[in-house]
Amino acid sequence: DQQVKQNSPSLSVQEGRISILNCDYTNSMFDYFLWYKKYPAEGPTFLISISSIKDKNEDGRFTVFLNKSAKHLSLHIVPSQPGDSAVYFCAADHDKIIFGKGTRLHILP
Amino acid sequence: NAGVTQTPKFQVLKTGQSMTLQCAQDMNHNSMYWYRQDPGMGLRLIYYSASEGTTDKGEVPNGYNVSRLNKREFSLRLESAAPSQTSVYFCASSSTGTLNYGYTFGSGTRLTVV
Repeated sequence: DQQVKQNSPSLSVQEGRISILNCDYTNSMFDYFLWYKKYPAEGPTFLISISSIKDKNEDGRFTVFLNKSAKHLSLHIVPSQPGDSAVYFCAADHDKIIFGKGTRLHILP
Repeated sequence: NAGVTQTPKFQVLKTGQSMTLQCAQDMNHNSMYWYRQDPGMGLRLIYYSASEGTTDKGEVPNGYNVSRLNKREFSLRLESAAPSQTSVYFCASSSTGTLNYGYTFGSGTRLTVV
């Protein structure tokens, strides 16, 4: 039973445009939602988080939106840069963090 | 600033062999975790330790054991390796109350069981 779902295995976006990565969850008990970025041969690195009591959190080019009624969150990257090419994991926490399967983002020149 | 250090980085085992994956953190974090990453499966929690002296099963604990040796170190042991345990293993740590910043991960151990 997958509690955190990332339904798009991959996404390609032109450099300079907006990248939108989506995530759905099933457990209404989750307190925090997080996004991690992972490059090949490296461990995941924390990118941005949002508390369940908020609907938006922004950090530079990265914004996370949370829609609790739809149990949906999204990560917006504006503008997209070549270094953003990586696998992005959506994650959710209640007493431990549960990860989605990841979305591979390709930024095209 | 080392963060989370995992050893070894690569390992090849024969079916039935045993080994221990080592993990150490220098951030004075209370909680530590072991995940495995498989293609198309994301990161799945094997075991975790919420604090020194405690360990709990995660999503996929079968075939593994763990030891929280002290606050810094959390090891993962495969007693009798199987090909299904071929994976990339990540250790992570966190400090209770700082969930805004999530977990800090090590760089991983790539294990192949033949």
